[in-house]
Amino acid sequence: QQQVKQSPQSLIVQKGGIPIINCAYENTAFDYFPWYQQFPGKGPALLIAIRPDVSEKKEGRFTISFNKSAKQFSLHIMDSQPGDSATYFCAACSYRGSTLGRLYFGRGTQLTVWP
Amino acid sequence: EAQVTQNPRYLITVTGKKLTVTCSQNMNHEYMSWYRQDPGLGLRQIYYSMNVEVTDKGDVPEGYKVSRKEKRNFPLILESPSPNQTSLYFCASSVGGPYNEQFFGPGTRLTVL
Repeated sequence: QQQVKQSPQSLIVQKGGIPIINCAYENTAFDYFPWYQQFPGKGPALLIAIRPDVSEKKEGRFTISFNKSAKQFSLHIMDSQPGDSATYFCAACSYRGSTLGRLYFGRGTQLTVWP
Repeated sequence: EAQVTQNPRYLITVTGKKLTVTCSQNMNHEYMSWYRQDPGLGLRQIYYSMNVEVTDKGDVPEGYKVSRKEKRNFPLILESPSPNQTSLYFCASSVGGPYNEQFFGPGTRLTVL
């Protein structure tokens, strides 16, 4: 059973566009939601993360929107650039309980930004 | 330089030949974890360790073993590799647990013939 569902699988936008990647989860015990960015041939790196006590978090051109009641969260990339072309993974985990130590990833979204 | 290192980076082996992929971090992190990455399946957690001598199973532990005898090292052992373990493997570490920034190694591409 997939704990975190991510869509779309791939996304192509023009430079300056606003790609949006969506994730959904079922386990209400999750209380930390990171996004990781991976360039070809590299390991993933943390991009931005949110905790469920806020509905939105911005870091530069990257914004996470969080809807606790719908159990959904999404990544928006403002003014996207060709250098943003990468694979993006959402993830979820809990600070406590039986799943402490587990990190559940979505299946990833391959983003291509055309110049 | 703060980093997670993995060795080897590339490995081609045959079914049944025991192998070990090493992982080492120099950041004094308590938490370490192994993931495998397969096309269309994303990253799946194999095993993790909250601290020295404490390890636990992730999503796909079958066919793998780990140990955490020292804080800096977290080797992944395949006792009898099979072709379905052909994958890209990543080691990661973080302060405390996965609810802090994880630092990933460069990956090990394993092919089992």
